[in-house]
This record gives sequence, structure tokens and C-alpha cells, in this order.
Amino acid sequence: DSGVTQTPKHLITATGQRVTLRCSPRSGDLSVYWYQQSLDQGLQFLIQYYNGEERAKGNILERFSAQQFPDLHSELNLSSLELGDSALYFCASSPSGGAWGNTIYFGEGSWLTVV
Amino acid sequence: SQKIEQNSEALNIQEGKTATLTCNYTNYSPAYLQWYRQDPGRGPVFLLLIRENEKEKRKERLKVTFDTTLKQSLFHITASQPADSATYLCALVGSNSGYALNFGKGTSLLVTP
Repeated sequence: DSGVTQTPKHLITATGQRVTLRCSPRSGDLSVYWYQQSLDQGLQFLIQYYNGEERAKGNILERFSAQQFPDLHSELNLSSLELGDSALYFCASSPSGGAWGNTIYFGEGSWLTVV
Repeated sequence: SQKIEQNSEALNIQEGKTATLTCNYTNYSPAYLQWYRQDPGRGPVFLLLIRENEKEKRKERLKVTFDTTLKQSLFHITASQPADSATYLCALVGSNSGYALNFGKGTSLLVTP
């Protein structure tokens, strides 16, 4: 158990809908990272928050957004969903502002299926 | 563009043998390189971190080498066991990801008894 909690574990929704994925980082960790993993693309970095502020942005679509709340939990919002958004979404956390020389700890992921 | 390349073909080896996985990268100047293990449907788990000034690092049956001239890391599992079967991911901090890790697509290892 990494200490990173993600909900829901599984989600099935229709195209065009909007969903919210939730992440609670490990106790004391200030950084939260979101990744998307699909079979053909591998693990793709989406966005990072550090202590409530956006720190880095990767290949995140404009239809996706995220935020980190004062209690450090984070939410990833996915809207206008398309079939291609079906993937496993991971949240990870680390104590400091980045993975530079530091381990990051992954949750078990949220499986999103868009039908 | 920055790339992290790992063998896409699965590696099948017999129990007790040494497994060697390769990670090549382009357009990175990494000070650190990390290896993670991922089981199907699970989150990646950190295994080892090696610094640019370390040629080799060991942890139990695991060994990682890091050659910044060749832009390559090798990951070895000695005396492999069926429980080592998983996908192994190489990761680097990229300029396009701020301080976050970019991952290779991973190499699937299957250890048969």
C-alpha cells in the first residue's frame, strides 16, 4: 500500500459526459501528479500540483482540468468525454516539489471506460 | 523531442537466469534515472534510483547501470523468479514535464519455472 488513495476504482460513462477523479496523497506529501495510461501510449504525464499551485503541465487536453485543495487532495476533471479517453488514470504524490532525485508514489488508479 | 525507449517486445526467461532490460534516452541530460515495476492493473512501484555520477547501483537481486555517454541504463535481475514477472519502467525528469517524471513504455518480463 503506497498510501495514495484514488476513487473511484472503476467508472463507466457515456461519450460527452463529465467525470471527476479524486486523489488523496500520502500523508505529508505536497506534490500530486496525474498520469494517463493507455495500451498504446504508455504512462503519460498530465499535470502536477504542488501545495495547491499548478507546477507543471504535460500532455493534458483542454477538456481536462485539475486542482489541488487546501487539504492537499486533488481532483482531475474530464469533460466532453470521448471513446479515446478510456484509460487508467493514476495519481502519484511526493514530499517535495518534484521528482528530481525523489521517488514518487502511485495510487492504484481509476479505470475509466467511455462507451 | 525527448524520448525514452525500452524494448517493446516481452522478455521471456527461465527461472534462475539473469534478466537484462534496456532503457535508452534521447535529448535528456538527466542527473537521475529511476526504475519502476508495474503489475497488471496496478500502480507503478519504485525500485531504484541512480545518479549520473554513479555507474552502478545494487539492491538485493537488482542491479542498475547508468552510462550517460551512451545515454543508456541497463536493469538486471539476477536469479530471477516467477514473482519477478511484471512490466519494468524506466523514468526520467523531462524538460516538458517540469519536475515530473516521464516514463518509457516499459518492458514486460515473464519468468517461467
